[in-house]
Amino acid sequence: TQLLEQSPQFLSIQEGENLTVYCNSSSVFSSLQWYRQEPGEGPVLLVTVVTGGEVKKLKRLTFQFGDARKDSSLHITAAQPGDTGLYLCAGGSGTSYGKLTFGQGTILTVHP
Amino acid sequence: EPEVTQTPSHQVTQMGQEVILRCVPISNHLYFYWYRQILGQKVEFLVSFYNNEISEKSEIFDDQFSVERPDGSNFTLKIRSTKLEDSAMYFCASSALGYGYTFGSGTRLTVV
Repeated sequence: TQLLEQSPQFLSIQEGENLTVYCNSSSVFSSLQWYRQEPGEGPVLLVTVVTGGEVKKLKRLTFQFGDARKDSSLHITAAQPGDTGLYLCAGGSGTSYGKLTFGQGTILTVHP
Repeated sequence: EPEVTQTPSHQVTQMGQEVILRCVPISNHLYFYWYRQILGQKVEFLVSFYNNEISEKSEIFDDQFSVERPDGSNFTLKIRSTKLEDSAMYFCASSALGYGYTFGSGTRLTVV
């Protein structure tokens, strides 16, 4: 069974601070996706990384896939209150059908 | 922006009753999925569907569950005889290539 451990579970910071969320596994994933989920809504895809060592940037968000494709990180620079939400990592299986294994999520609160 | 549409948004049913959750995936997507999220827990994979058949299913997806694509646009999840523990948010998702999902907003199922 593939497991993804996400840390920290809760993060409360002030506007302007930087933060990093980690996603770790003992299993190799074919891809790693990051989602953001608002209360009562479905997860919304932020990024997909598929190559070991890959780094992708989305404005103030930087996503990295570990060289061994077992871990990933999400770094937010100069966090803003609008970044508040639940962030989920999800690992893709080796099949082309794309079953995802989700982490338990990180609840981020950015205080003005 | 194309959306995955789920209906109903809320469903309350009595234990033992059958429920059908409906989804309209994005029209040019080929892979379809159902996930569920019990309150406070991880998003869990139920089933993937490709080329008009189940491609992968989890241990949760037992004989009480079935999926169908009755026409070119709808994708349904049926639970034959609901149990209290089936209460959860059920998310439909679709993708073009097997990763980079688009999730619907979910159906909140409450079994009483």
